[in-house]
Amino acid sequence: AQSVTQLDSQVPVFEEAPVELRCNYSSSVSVYLFWYVQYPNQGLQLLLKYLSGSTLVKGINGFEAEFNKSQTSFHLRKPSVHISDTAEYFCAVSDRGSARQLTFGSGTQLTVLP
Amino acid sequence: GAVVSQHPSWVICKSGTSVKIECRSLDFQATTMFWYRQFPKQSLMLMATSNEGSKATYEQGVEKDKFLINHASLTLSTLTVTSAHPEDSSFYICSARDQTSYNEQFFGPGTRLTVL
Repeated sequence: AQSVTQLDSQVPVFEEAPVELRCNYSSSVSVYLFWYVQYPNQGLQLLLKYLSGSTLVKGINGFEAEFNKSQTSFHLRKPSVHISDTAEYFCAVSDRGSARQLTFGSGTQLTVLP
Repeated sequence: GAVVSQHPSWVICKSGTSVKIECRSLDFQATTMFWYRQFPKQSLMLMATSNEGSKATYEQGVEKDKFLINHASLTLSTLTVTSAHPEDSSFYICSARDQTSYNEQFFGPGTRLTVL
């Protein structure tokens, strides 16, 4: 079984400032890692994913994340945020078996202030 | 590509009625579809995993007689909330897994159910 912890439930940040959203996971097996964004009353959109290879993953909208196996972390970063980045962000993991069900963190509300 | 639709986007019903929510993969074949429930300001909780042509696998605590799932084709899964009550009010989201992109789930836009 896997679990995901997003320590920050809310992150306010000023426009054009950098941001980091933290994600730690726990698993007894190797996992795949994902970040999703959810705008109000909408479904989830994939920002980026780590399957294997380079630990630095680049996604859409200027976001990137780094997989750190020793710290079991997959923090999301963006060097300069925009008002339009205001949304809920979910970190998720799945095992590498046949089921590959996603386990989500509790989410982080990113609010970009003008 | 990889678009998933849900219908309806929102529904309001009286207590005791049944509501059907459709999830369609528009441009790919989905051997597996997932149904999630999301309460306000909370994360997504997996309700069930649906494989085409077979019975759905429900997560612990989810009543299979309450939430009927049918996955009759590779592009359509339905969730029926039977005898809905106010506590069933929630945001229901489906996702579909592409046969070729096995590692990724594509999410629908969600259905807001309000039971009066």
